[in-house]
Amino acid sequence: DAMVIQNPRYQVTQFGKPVTLSCSQTLNHNVMYWYQQKSSQAPKLLFHYYDKDFNNEADTPDNFQSRRPNTSFCFLDIRSPGLGDAAMYLCATSRGHLDYTFGSGTRLTVV
Amino acid sequence: GQQLNQSPQSMFIQEGEDVSMNCTSSSIFNTWLWYKQEPGEGPVLLIALYKAGELTSNGRLTAQFGITRKDSFLNISASIPSDVGIYFCAGQLRNTPLVFGKGTRLSVIA
Repeated sequence: DAMVIQNPRYQVTQFGKPVTLSCSQTLNHNVMYWYQQKSSQAPKLLFHYYDKDFNNEADTPDNFQSRRPNTSFCFLDIRSPGLGDAAMYLCATSRGHLDYTFGSGTRLTVV
Repeated sequence: GQQLNQSPQSMFIQEGEDVSMNCTSSSIFNTWLWYKQEPGEGPVLLIALYKAGELTSNGRLTAQFGITRKDSFLNISASIPSDVGIYFCAGQLRNTPLVFGKGTRLSVIA
């Protein structure tokens, strides 16, 4: 089945230690998104790639970076995770901005 | 940026009861979407609405796109325990990312 796959499902990292979360898709969607979701809150858009064009939200901290080496893969890099960065990180894809499909998320714990 | 007001924040209902939740916005949207999220999972699309006034059903779920294009509601009829989760509305202007509401946490008491 075509889908959006996030690895790992659970990630524990040390305070200040760089961490990378990955997302892959088999839908051949041209847009990929990264959302941060804290407990009992709405998903918050960090950035998205529309094809190869990177679109950063104005309030996304510099600590968060992203890479999209090809259509199928997108990575979220957190350069120096703080305790406040503990959250569920959701990857989503869409065709244009239609047919959004979410992955199951990666829950990040910072210790 | 655009904001969606979703209410209620949480609901506790008896199995078999009907449920209603809604979203309002200060600005118009071209698309309204309703998602359900279960613990530890990503949001799953329930219903998509593309036209003002549109009323769409998906099993026991019914959603409407408000005529003003600034609101939408979701109804769940005859709730069952597996309806438990967080329901998010999301609005979208053409060619822009989704904007999410803050969610309605639904608990169903058997």
